[in-house]
Amino acid sequence: DAGVTQSPTHLIKTRGQQVTLRCSPKSGHDTVSWYQQALGQGPQFIFQYYEEEERQRGNFPDRFSGHQFPNYSSELNVNALLLGDSALYLCASSLVFRGRGYTFGSGTRLTVV
Amino acid sequence: ELKVEQNPLFLSMQEGKNYTIYCNYSTTSDRLYWYRQDPGKSLESLFVLLSNGAVKQEGRLMASLDTKARLSTLHITAAVHDLSATYFCAAELNYGGSQGNLIFGKGTKLSVKP
Repeated sequence: DAGVTQSPTHLIKTRGQQVTLRCSPKSGHDTVSWYQQALGQGPQFIFQYYEEEERQRGNFPDRFSGHQFPNYSSELNVNALLLGDSALYLCASSLVFRGRGYTFGSGTRLTVV
Repeated sequence: ELKVEQNPLFLSMQEGKNYTIYCNYSTTSDRLYWYRQDPGKSLESLFVLLSNGAVKQEGRLMASLDTKARLSTLHITAAVHDLSATYFCAAELNYGGSQGNLIFGKGTKLSVKP
């Protein structure tokens, strides 16, 4: 049973560019959440997708956007990259009607130069 | 606003010793998680605590939850080097009874020395 798969694993981008990160949830899960983890910090919630819609959103600017596809996979897009966007981006999948917790992927390490 | 505070943030232990990591959260949350993270790696789920008084144990780690005090603890018994990692607690922000999102503490970096 495959867990959560994220791609790419590492990425280097230049300030001002745009980036797309991808996530395939664990089999049977219907909800995908994205977290940003800066170096030495705890993960911070970006947003959550369910039924192809953004269901909840954390305190992140509109430069951060996402999408969920009919097969439950998801993308995180970040526009106009800033140096401060450098972080580990984690995807977590779950079942919306609770009870089973979250499964995290291995993350995408984004470096903005 | 739900806030989660962990202490200590750094913990250096000798092998064989016991210690406790504390996790306080500011508002009602009925679901508390503990994760382990090795350097450069993702989050490994350790425990999910669902109700007041819940206690779970796995090997040398034991977690408990007191929802009245808004406190969870992670107790380490007879530490070994393999337990060296960063430990996060996270409280789930309720969302109308369905899956909410997690608010994480800053993490406790544990180093176990011989």
